[in-house]
Amino acid sequence: EVQLVESGGGLVQPGGSLRLSCAASGLTFSNYAMSWVRQAPGKGLEWVSTISGSGISTYYADSVKDRFTISRDNSKNMVYLQMNSLRAEDTAVYYCAKGFMVRGVRFDYWGQGTLVTVSS
Amino acid sequence: DIQMTQSPSSLSASVGDRVTITCRASQGISNYLAWFQQKPGKAPKSLIYAASSLQSGVPSNFSGSGSGTDFTLTISSLQPEDFATYYCQQYNSYPITFGQGTRLEIK
Repeated sequence: EVQLVESGGGLVQPGGSLRLSCAASGLTFSNYAMSWVRQAPGKGLEWVSTISGSGISTYYADSVKDRFTISRDNSKNMVYLQMNSLRAEDTAVYYCAKGFMVRGVRFDYWGQGTLVTVSS
Repeated sequence: DIQMTQSPSSLSASVGDRVTITCRASQGISNYLAWFQQKPGKAPKSLIYAASSLQSGVPSNFSGSGSGTDFTLTISSLQPEDFATYYCQQYNSYPITFGQGTRLEIK
């Protein structure tokens, strides 16, 4: 059974940094693209970033480009999101999602999410 | 960026009803379209991919259709557990974009 478990969320001040982690199990991890998708309180889904199975290719939403960095460690079945220069508008539940790179990326399974709150 | 527009934004229906939700892309995306279901406080769940392919384990009362710019998600006979918010998502190109969601409520 596939499991994706996010961690690392919490309260951070504007301008601060946070690193999210996603631990994957029950799958051949390097076969899948991994992504982060966020959802602000009471709002819809917003794609944040994707990394290919090999880790060679990465993609970012304009809203986080140059502030967030996605990475993965296939030896540990982990994917990370380093978030710098955080803003109030980054407040959201951050979901880790596995999927397939087909032109863009198709998500087929999501973790339960971790809440990031940016506030002074 | 490709904009995804869902209609309606909210919908009231009864158990047993047939319901259709529409998703329109601002430009052609072939069949690179997925649908997700999300219940309050829970992660999204994949329902449909490639516009009409049912994700493993999803009940057959869910179906999807469309190609190009216009897509539909149909629930043939609503069950109590189907009341949720539904999102479409295009994966034709980056940036990946979602529709704004359709909230399906019990009448």
